[in-house]
Amino acid sequence: KAGVTQTPRYLIKTRGQQVTLSCSPISGHRSVSWYQQTPGQGLQFLFEYFSETQRNKGNFPGRFSGRQFSNSRSEMNVSTLELGDSALYLCASSLSTSGVTDTQYFGPGTRLTVL
Amino acid sequence: AQSVTQLGSHVSVSEGALVLLRCNYSSSVPPYLFWYVQYPNQGLQLLLKYTTGATLVKGINGFEAEFKKSETSFHLTKPSAHMSDAAEYFCAVSQNTNAGKSTFGDGTTLTVKP
Repeated sequence: KAGVTQTPRYLIKTRGQQVTLSCSPISGHRSVSWYQQTPGQGLQFLFEYFSETQRNKGNFPGRFSGRQFSNSRSEMNVSTLELGDSALYLCASSLSTSGVTDTQYFGPGTRLTVL
Repeated sequence: AQSVTQLGSHVSVSEGALVLLRCNYSSSVPPYLFWYVQYPNQGLQLLLKYTTGATLVKGINGFEAEFKKSETSFHLTKPSAHMSDAAEYFCAVSQNTNAGKSTFGDGTTLTVKP
């Protein structure tokens, strides 16, 4: 079974631009979560989508948004990029069957650099 | 609310020595606990998890962890370190009935000396 894939793997943008990152979960997984990883703040939860609905949300400004499609693929968008948005963005998918804690499987991440 | 504290941002051991990475958590409800490993420029790989049941959990690559409720700890151990164990390790806690929102510790970088 193919793992979680993220595209692109590397991105370079300038301040003020916007960016869209894509995540394809493992086949059959319905939950997709996004995390931001930086040396200063560590791993921080952005949001989680399940069946095309945002189910959980972290403490990030509204510039960070996401969506999930009917095939469970997810995108996250960051508008008006700031230097501090430079980070590794990780996507994780899980089965998320009702009432069960499911293992999250992580993709390799997208390395975003904002200049 | 939930939080995770990993004691020691860097741990160095000799090859063949015991590996002990410490994790303490805070959770208002019974926690679900995880250990992940991250190699440079890669995503996170699950080593092991505790949800319910047996408090000693065995994972991949010879790692295990013990859930101690009284100490709010979930320390990761491996009897004999291998050079390939050098990586960054993250402890995480989740409160929900799914792992969609996990809170991670700051990570511990493990160095293995020959």
